[in-house]
Amino acid sequence: KAGVTQTPRYLIKTRGQQVTLSCSPISGHRSVSWYQQTPGQGLQFLFEYFSETQRNKGNFPGRFSGRQFSNSRSEMNVSTLELGDSALYLCASRNPPRDSTYEQYFGPGTRLTVT
Amino acid sequence: GQNIDQPTEMTATEGAIVQINCTYQTSGFNGLFWYQQHAGEAPTFLSYNVLDGLEEKGRFSSFLSRSKGYSYLLLKELQMKDSASYLCAVRDRNQAGTALIFGKGTTLSVSS
Repeated sequence: KAGVTQTPRYLIKTRGQQVTLSCSPISGHRSVSWYQQTPGQGLQFLFEYFSETQRNKGNFPGRFSGRQFSNSRSEMNVSTLELGDSALYLCASRNPPRDSTYEQYFGPGTRLTVT
Repeated sequence: GQNIDQPTEMTATEGAIVQINCTYQTSGFNGLFWYQQHAGEAPTFLSYNVLDGLEEKGRFSSFLSRSKGYSYLLLKELQMKDSASYLCAVRDRNQAGTALIFGKGTTLSVSS
């Protein structure tokens, strides 16, 4: 079974631009979560989608948004990019409610650099 | 609020045993996870504790004490490939879904 895939793997943008990142979960997984990872703050939860609905949202500004499609693929968008948005963006999927351990499977991430 | 603390760095030698501690504060504890992350790679699941006690899985074991807000990950018979960052994460029942609050990770360096 294929793992979580994320595209693109690397991205360079300039301040003020917007960016869209894509995540394809493991086949059959309906929950997709997004995290931001930086050296200073570590892994921070952005939001979670399940069946095209946002279930939970972390403490990030409104410039960060996301959505999920009917095939469970998810996208996140960051508008008006700032230098501090440079980070590794990780997507994770799971298959509730069957997975009682709440184990999430992470993708390889998208490395975003804002200049 | 929510807070998770773990040491920033640890070093050990091949064949040794190392214990990585994690303390947490959360208003609605609903499970603790340990993940391993090699440099440049995605985090991979190691263990999950929701009840007090020790969970053993091969060379790795994880312990939880809910009353103390404390967990540790025990790695036995260390190998060079165990050099990685180890992330402690807590799930809060006051949040729907699977939102995890992560510590900043412990970088473990294993030397020969």
